[in-house]
Amino acid sequence: AQSVAQPEDQVNVAEGNPLTVKCTYSVSGNPYLFWYVQYPNRGLQFLLKYITGDNLVKGSYGFEAEFNKSQTSFHLKKPSALVSDSALYFCAVSGTALIFGKGTTLSVSS
Amino acid sequence: GAVVSQHPSWVICKSGTSVKIECRSLDFQATTMFWYRQFPKQSLMLMATSNEGSKATYEQGVEKDKFLINHASLTLSTLTVTSAHPEDSSFYICSAPGQREEQFFGPGTRLTVL
Repeated sequence: AQSVAQPEDQVNVAEGNPLTVKCTYSVSGNPYLFWYVQYPNRGLQFLLKYITGDNLVKGSYGFEAEFNKSQTSFHLKKPSALVSDSALYFCAVSGTALIFGKGTTLSVSS
Repeated sequence: GAVVSQHPSWVICKSGTSVKIECRSLDFQATTMFWYRQFPKQSLMLMATSNEGSKATYEQGVEKDKFLINHASLTLSTLTVTSAHPEDSSFYICSAPGQREEQFFGPGTRLTVL
């Protein structure tokens, strides 16, 4: 069965500092991996995806993620965090539908 | 990008009543749509796969008689919560697949059952 794990319930970072939100995956075959962000009482917004190709994927709002096959990871990163980045972040893997991790709350302090 | 809408965005109902939630793909056709349920500050749990022209496929533990799904056309899927109870209060989100494994999500429907 395909699954993703987000080991951190919450990540706290100061504005201007780099941020990392961790995700590891377990799939059979080639993984299709995604990051989504959710603001309170809102739907999900797509950030980026890895299907194939370059291991470093650049996405929306300055976010990027690195696909690491040997470590089965797909961590989300941003060089300089903004207070407005504070939200709930989900890593997901594609099966028939998307299978989501439990989510990580990112809190960026000013 | 493709747009998926949901209606209503929020609904409050009395216990025992039924509530219908609509999910529409606005500028593309979707033979398949997915319904998720999300509790506060928790992940999205796949409830069912809605298939145009055939029966929905429910995930284990989801009561098909309680959560009725109808995929009436290539752009519309509906989820009806029948005889709603307070424990059905949740955030319901639908999605439709696009190309290259991408999913387009609706904005969600907040259901509160009193």
